[in-house]
Amino acid sequence: QQQVKQSPQSLIVQKGGIPIINCAYENTAFDYFPWYQQFPGKGPALLIAIRPDVSEKKEGRFTISFNKSAKQFSLHIMDSQPGDSATYFCAASIGNSGNTPLVFGKGTRLSVIA
Amino acid sequence: DSGVTQTPKHLITATGQRVTLRCSPRSGDLSVYWYQQSLDQGLQFLIQYYNGEERAKGNILERFSAQQFPDLHSELNLSSLELGDSALYFCASSVVLTGELFFGEGSRLTVL
Repeated sequence: QQQVKQSPQSLIVQKGGIPIINCAYENTAFDYFPWYQQFPGKGPALLIAIRPDVSEKKEGRFTISFNKSAKQFSLHIMDSQPGDSATYFCAASIGNSGNTPLVFGKGTRLSVIA
Repeated sequence: DSGVTQTPKHLITATGQRVTLRCSPRSGDLSVYWYQQSLDQGLQFLIQYYNGEERAKGNILERFSAQQFPDLHSELNLSSLELGDSALYFCASSVVLTGELFFGEGSRLTVL
């Protein structure tokens, strides 16, 4: 049972483009939604995270949009650069009560070409 | 550098064998998580320990076991290995039970 569904599986954009990665979840008890970035040969690292009390969070060129009613959230990368080429994972967990471990999507491999 | 150390980085072994993967969490982190990463399944949660006690269990096979020691390092034991166990195994740690996870660089296991 996959609790977090991520799409697309891979994405190629031109430098300066705005790649968008989408995730959908099923468990309405989830209340913490992070995105992790993974470069080849490295472990995933936290990029940005959001809680369901806000609809958008921005950190630098990275923005999370959150739609609680649709149970969806997405990552937007503004002015994408070749250095953003990596695999991106969305995740979800129950933070405030059940303290469940993060459940990850299957990942999106992003390539930004110059 | 996340501060999480995993050894070995690479491991090649044969079917039916047993291996042990080791993880040293960040200084001060009490919670340790193990994840398995394969191409088609993404990051799958295996098991979590908090201050020496098992906290949560995910899709961990019965052939696999783990423990967290008093010095907070953790080991993941994989036995009766099969070809399908070939994957990247990540350890992550966190200060508290939720929030940001800090991942190591993984141990790549190849079963021939």
